[in-house]
Formats: sequence, structure tokens, C-alpha cells
Amino acid sequence: QSVLTQPPSASGTPGQRVTISCSGSSSNIGSNIVNWYQEVPGTAPKLLMYRNNQRPSGVPDRFSGSKSGTSASLAISGLQSEDEADYYCATWDDSLNGWVFGGGTKLTVL
Amino acid sequence: QLQLQESGPGLVKPSETLSLTCTVSGGSISSSSYYWGWIRQPPGKGLEWIGSMYYSGSTYYNPSLKSRVTISLDMSKNQVSLKLSSVTAADTAVYFCASGNWFDYWGQGTLVTVSS
Repeated sequence: QSVLTQPPSASGTPGQRVTISCSGSSSNIGSNIVNWYQEVPGTAPKLLMYRNNQRPSGVPDRFSGSKSGTSASLAISGLQSEDEADYYCATWDDSLNGWVFGGGTKLTVL
Repeated sequence: QLQLQESGPGLVKPSETLSLTCTVSGGSISSSSYYWGWIRQPPGKGLEWIGSMYYSGSTYYNPSLKSRVTISLDMSKNQVSLKLSSVTAADTAVYFCASGNWFDYWGQGTLVTVSS
């Protein structure tokens, strides 16, 4: 049972916009920044978004992040087949005094 | 560009200690620009943070693993190490070394199986 709650799956067709949610509490998302990671099967996770809505160099602007209260979301517009991967949110939890990850969302491009 | 490479035994017996090393290239582990972490992923499951160590020496561990985990830095070898004691089958996972303020950099991961 993950501290952060994500939907186990999401899907969309090429060109569509998809949103993945991440729900937490006041001790984690409510008081800290949220990062997102993309994990293509068989490869290491990759930092996709940091500090809620900042894209590392090389990440397409099709990816965007937001945070409101104790929830965060990752949006992918102009969906492409290469976006098919597992997506994880993560943040610091002040109660646990450590990083916590969401359970992950498997994105399928139909 | 920082590069990380995990290494260590792929098979560990129950009750023994899992020991992994992360060799860093492209930067010094003593730099204040980085902090170091270990994250694991059981087969078919999600990511779990194990612990982190800052360049200052401060360490933070997952409360569920704290009594069994030690993370340390070997400046002479530019390596980060992980030790997890009293392992069980539940510790079978791919173990990743990661660095950066937001786990910007990741190693490829190494699978550790706990079995007799």
C-alpha cells in the first residue's frame, strides 16, 4: 500500500491528452514538491518532472505537471507511442522523514 | 554527465547481508552538488525508497527498513555502498543507485534474489 495514490492504469490514442493523478496528504504533497518519473520496461526510471512543474533538459514540452493542495497531476498532450511506460510520482513525507513514491501508473497508447 | 553503475552479488541467502556498490563516474561523490540514494523495485511492483545520504554525511532511511540498512560513501573509490542485513525473500528486487536533488541520475539497476 503506497503512501501516494495513483491510478494503476491509463490509456489514450495517439495525439490525445492524458492526465495521471497522484493523491497524498498534508504531510507529503501538501507541504512538499512533487517529482515524476518515467520508467520504460527494462530500463531505469528517468526524471520527467521536478519541483511540481519543471521539465529537465530534453523532456518535451508535451509533458506538464501541476500541484494543488494534497494532489498532483502529470499531463501528456499529443500522446505518442513512445510515451507508453510506467509513471511514478514522488515527494518527501515530513511524518516519515523520507521519500515516498506512488504505486505507479501504467500508460498504454492504444 | 554523472554516470552510476551498481554491482554486487545477484544471489543472497536468507538471513545474510546484502551488499551493493554504486560506482560513480563523471563527478565526485564528495561534491556538494549531489546527494545519493538507493531505491528498489520488487519484480512486477513499484518503486520503494530505501535511503539517502547527503554530502554532509547526514543519512535518512525508510522507516520500514531503518533497522537493517546502512548507506555509506567511499571517497577514495568514488563509490556509494548499501548494506541490508537479515534479508528475506521480500527483499528480492532490482536495486537502483540514484543521485541528484530529485534523483536526476540513475544507475541501470541490479537484480538481487534472496534464496537458499
